[in-house]
Amino acid sequence: DAMVIQNPRYQVTQFGKPVTLSCSQTLNHNVMYWYQQKSSQAPKLLFHYYDKDFNNEADTPDNFQSRRPNTSFCFLDIRSPGLGDAAMYLCATSRDPPGSFYNEQFFGPGTRLTVL
Amino acid sequence: SQQGEEDPQALSIQEGENATMNCSYKTSINNLQWYRQNSGRGLVHLILIRSNEREKHSGRLRVTLDTSKKSSSLLITASRAADTASYFCATDYSGGGADGLTFGKGTHLIIQP
Repeated sequence: DAMVIQNPRYQVTQFGKPVTLSCSQTLNHNVMYWYQQKSSQAPKLLFHYYDKDFNNEADTPDNFQSRRPNTSFCFLDIRSPGLGDAAMYLCATSRDPPGSFYNEQFFGPGTRLTVL
Repeated sequence: SQQGEEDPQALSIQEGENATMNCSYKTSINNLQWYRQNSGRGLVHLILIRSNEREKHSGRLRVTLDTSKKSSSLLITASRAADTASYFCATDYSGGGADGLTFGKGTHLIIQP
């Protein structure tokens, strides 16, 4: 089945220790997104890739970086995690980009990040 | 902020009853989408309604869109215990640029068996 896969499902890191979360997709979608969702809050878009074009949200901290080496994979790097970065990180894909009439997103199960 | 607002924040009903959730937003949109999220899981896309559409159905789900009032509603008919989840509306802003979806805060729906 075509799907969005996130690894690991649970990640524990130490304050200030770099961490990388990964996402892969078998949908062959053009767009991949990373969201941060804190407890009982709405998902907050961090950035997205449309093919190889990187689009950063204005209020995404510099501490968060992303890489998309090919169509299938996208990584979220947190260079120096703080306690406030503990959250669920959701990866999503869409066939068409933001601003299209049909750009429904397909989400992975998420990675829950704990910062000690 | 473009963020939508869902209403109510929490809703508890008996199994078999209908559940209605509302969403208001602030800007012109290309489309509005509804998602479901079970506790601790990713989001599942339910319905997308375009800005030039007024109503859409999918199984037990009915979505309406009123662009003049900048509001949408999601109706779940004949609710089941498995419908217990958080429901989010998300808007795709039509003002140009490369923004993705903006999610509302969600409605937490509990279906009592």
